[in-house]
Amino acid sequence: GAGVSQSPSNKVTEKGKDVELRCDPISGHTALYWYRQSLGQGLEFLIYFQGNSAPDKSGLPSDRFSAERTGGSVSTLTIQRTQQEDSAVYLCASSSEQNQPQHFGDGTRLSIL
Amino acid sequence: GENVEQHPSTLSVQEGDSAVIKCTYSDSASNYFPWYKQELGKRPQLIIDIRSNVGEKKDQRIAVTLNKTAKHFSLHITETQPEDSAVYFCAASGSYQLTFGKGTKLSVIP
Repeated sequence: GAGVSQSPSNKVTEKGKDVELRCDPISGHTALYWYRQSLGQGLEFLIYFQGNSAPDKSGLPSDRFSAERTGGSVSTLTIQRTQQEDSAVYLCASSSEQNQPQHFGDGTRLSIL
Repeated sequence: GENVEQHPSTLSVQEGDSAVIKCTYSDSASNYFPWYKQELGKRPQLIIDIRSNVGEKKDQRIAVTLNKTAKHFSLHITETQPEDSAVYFCAASGSYQLTFGKGTKLSVIP
């Protein structure tokens, strides 16, 4: 596609529910990244994929967070048993390869009630 | 790990004046330094980047300078326009993970 696509754009859910966020990177980009942006804050790294492998999961805040990537393309970020502190904008980025310019999607605004 | 400090947190300039935003980083292994512009409710957009083998890079009204010895880099915007108003983020990377500064809210006053 022309750019990084994320869905849903907004998600409101109750505390304790599971949520799944989707990222469709720029076609041909092998590297994919998830970041989190809390209100008025900078971007916090969550996880990096090279192809379907995630060599660095160190940024995931807890074991309630997981992510996968299939076919070297679409990635999903799953948050189980959501908590109010999970409320944030979750941003996905992709790059042609490691250490190349990262291009972001519009993000998913997650609100936990 | 890497730590990026960004100053100032807010900046107001008159239209036509220049704006300068400064960042410092801690990890001497970092070699890639992008700058992103984020308008309210929008995605971060890459506006310029620089690698550690270059000291300065320009693109029309924006420029970035890098001092590897001092571990700091700066964004310069000349002839500012109201549409330059946004939050600007600097970042540093050694391989893949971008570490971001906390952002500078730039307001250009017409």
